[in-house]
Amino acid sequence: KQEVTQIPAALSVPEGENLVLNCSFTDSAIYNLQWFRQDPGKGLTSLLLIQSSQREQTSGRLNASLDKSSGRSTLYIAASQPGDSATYLCAVRWDGGSQGNLIFGKGTKLSVKP
Amino acid sequence: NAGVTQTPKFQVLKTGQSMTLQCAQDMNHEYMSWYRQDPGMGLRLIHYSVGAGITDQGEVPNGYNVSRSTTEDFPLRLLSAAPSQTSVYFCASSYRAQGLDYGYTFGSGTRLTVV
Repeated sequence: KQEVTQIPAALSVPEGENLVLNCSFTDSAIYNLQWFRQDPGKGLTSLLLIQSSQREQTSGRLNASLDKSSGRSTLYIAASQPGDSATYLCAVRWDGGSQGNLIFGKGTKLSVKP
Repeated sequence: NAGVTQTPKFQVLKTGQSMTLQCAQDMNHEYMSWYRQDPGMGLRLIHYSVGAGITDQGEVPNGYNVSRSTTEDFPLRLLSAAPSQTSVYFCASSYRAQGLDYGYTFGSGTRLTVV
């Protein structure tokens, strides 16, 4: 079964730290991988989308990497801020799946302490 | 630019009632989908559509119907509500360009309670 796993489920860090969130997935035949942010009681905001042919994507203080052979992706957040506190979700579309259909991990809840 | 709009934001239903959750997007995205989010289960795909007139089932379709008569709208119908359908429902859209998916956009969600 195709699954996405995110460990840890929760993470607390002091402001200013660099941090890494992990995502692992079964089956390396992915079509794309995406990182989302979800604030409490809100919808999902797309942060970074990595196509299958890409190794990484960057946006501001965020950098996401993809290693299909090991079934892993990481989201690196530089110089964390209290405003980064949210749940971060990893989602995968696999080859053979229909357009846009995503399998989500259960997320990592990040808390950045001032 | 409204993106993906979901209505209502909150709803309480009695067991056995039916209702329709509305979803509309103004980005001309061909792909639309419905997910439900439950504690400890994450987001799971209910139904999806790759274009007007085309719909298909996702991982958890039982108890739900969809139709796609226009590119903009993708309503989700609960036929006979059950307490197990208590959840937060999200509508999403995206588009394809040069063989790749782009532009994943989620609505703000509908929080449904079935009593």
